[in-house]
Amino acid sequence: ETGVTQSPTHLIKTRGQQVTLRCSSQSGHNTVSWYQQALGQGPQFIFQYYREEENGRGNFPPRFSGLQFPNYSSELNVNALELDDSALYLCASSLLAGSTDTQYFGPGTRLTVL
Amino acid sequence: AQRVTQPEKLLSVFKGAPVELKCNYSYSGSPELFWYVQYSRQRLQLLLRHISRESIKGFTADLNKGETSFHLKKPFAQEEDSAMYYCALKDISNFGNEKLTFGTGTRLTIIP
Repeated sequence: ETGVTQSPTHLIKTRGQQVTLRCSSQSGHNTVSWYQQALGQGPQFIFQYYREEENGRGNFPPRFSGLQFPNYSSELNVNALELDDSALYLCASSLLAGSTDTQYFGPGTRLTVL
Repeated sequence: AQRVTQPEKLLSVFKGAPVELKCNYSYSGSPELFWYVQYSRQRLQLLLRHISRESIKGFTADLNKGETSFHLKKPFAQEEDSAMYYCALKDISNFGNEKLTFGTGTRLTIIP
């Protein structure tokens, strides 16, 4: 079992609100990636952080933002929530950006927007 | 743009029969291909990657650049193989780009 943890497990918000999801990477992993997985779909890349700086972004609007901290924790923030933001949000950590190292996934946070 | 296609959403196979989960990709650079698996109530985990050329839990996958495919195969299915399988592609031509592009997944059910 990997050391990637996410909190909370489940979250319910209403449209227009803001949400912060948290991830604790495996110790020593300096790269964290965030994915959105809608029902019946594969995970979609949101963005990646390497040594506390954004290092690649998928097709998501600026209201999706992130932070990475020196203690291997990170956050995904979503502003002005929309109904379509309802999904499972996954974080994945790896040792070195650009390497062929494996990404280790957390269990996910299920966000429901009403 | 890179794209991964898994044509089968559902696949049912009898125990002991061969399994093949299809994956096709489109990408102009040098991709690295992966198979991830998600067992019931467990997190997404790496099953195998093409550069390792290894067999994991009896599964193998060969990268066919001519057909742009990376099908997952196992000669004899076991009940514990029932799970959701995702094919994924990573661009390794740009340093620092760890983006994984996933297919929509195939739910494999092994019939006892």
